[in-house]
Amino acid sequence: EAGVAQSPRYKIIEKRQSVAFWCNPISGHATLYWYQQILGQGPKLLIQFQNNGVVDDSQLPKDRFSAERLKGVDSTLKIQPAKLEDSAVYLCASSFEAGVYEQFFGPGTRLTVL
Amino acid sequence: AQTVTQSQPEMSVQEAETVTLSCTYDTSESNYYLFWYKQPPSRQMILVIRQEAYKQQNATENRFSVNFQKAAKSFSLKISDSQLGDTAMYFCASYTGTASKLTFGTGTRLQVTL
Repeated sequence: EAGVAQSPRYKIIEKRQSVAFWCNPISGHATLYWYQQILGQGPKLLIQFQNNGVVDDSQLPKDRFSAERLKGVDSTLKIQPAKLEDSAVYLCASSFEAGVYEQFFGPGTRLTVL
Repeated sequence: AQTVTQSQPEMSVQEAETVTLSCTYDTSESNYYLFWYKQPPSRQMILVIRQEAYKQQNATENRFSVNFQKAAKSFSLKISDSQLGDTAMYFCASYTGTASKLTFGTGTRLQVTL
């Protein structure tokens, strides 16, 4: 079974530029999550999708971050414009359903904002 | 609000020895779940073990076991017969129905040495 795929693995941009990350969850998983993991901290949930609908985006900085999951499969997370404090690893995860089902994580995208 | 605290930023253990990672949590809910996740260097985060709060018996998965002290709100992870492949960041996390999301601690970096 293929795991959660993410691209790119690494990205370096200047502040005020825009960037997009892509995630393809495990086939058949209805729930998709985007986490932000700042160095020295645990992952923090940014947004959760159930199929193509948003379940929780309470910690998503909506003035600069946006995410979509068209057709309820793969998803993109965008930052526009980026700030220095956005430097982090962005993790995508998926689970069969919402709730306490096991979350399977992708390898992450390491973003450096200069 | 849920909080998860890991007070050991780094730990080291020799191969074949036993090590215990500490975690405390805070929640006002009676039904919740606790998890330990492992994040090896440059690899995906994976679930190590989970514990349902309503179960009195401590969870065990091969060399990994937990000591769940509900009254003390403590959830420690014991790794027996440590192997070089256990070298990783270990995150403790909690899940409640009210929050409906994982809340992670700051992690403990474990180094297994020869």
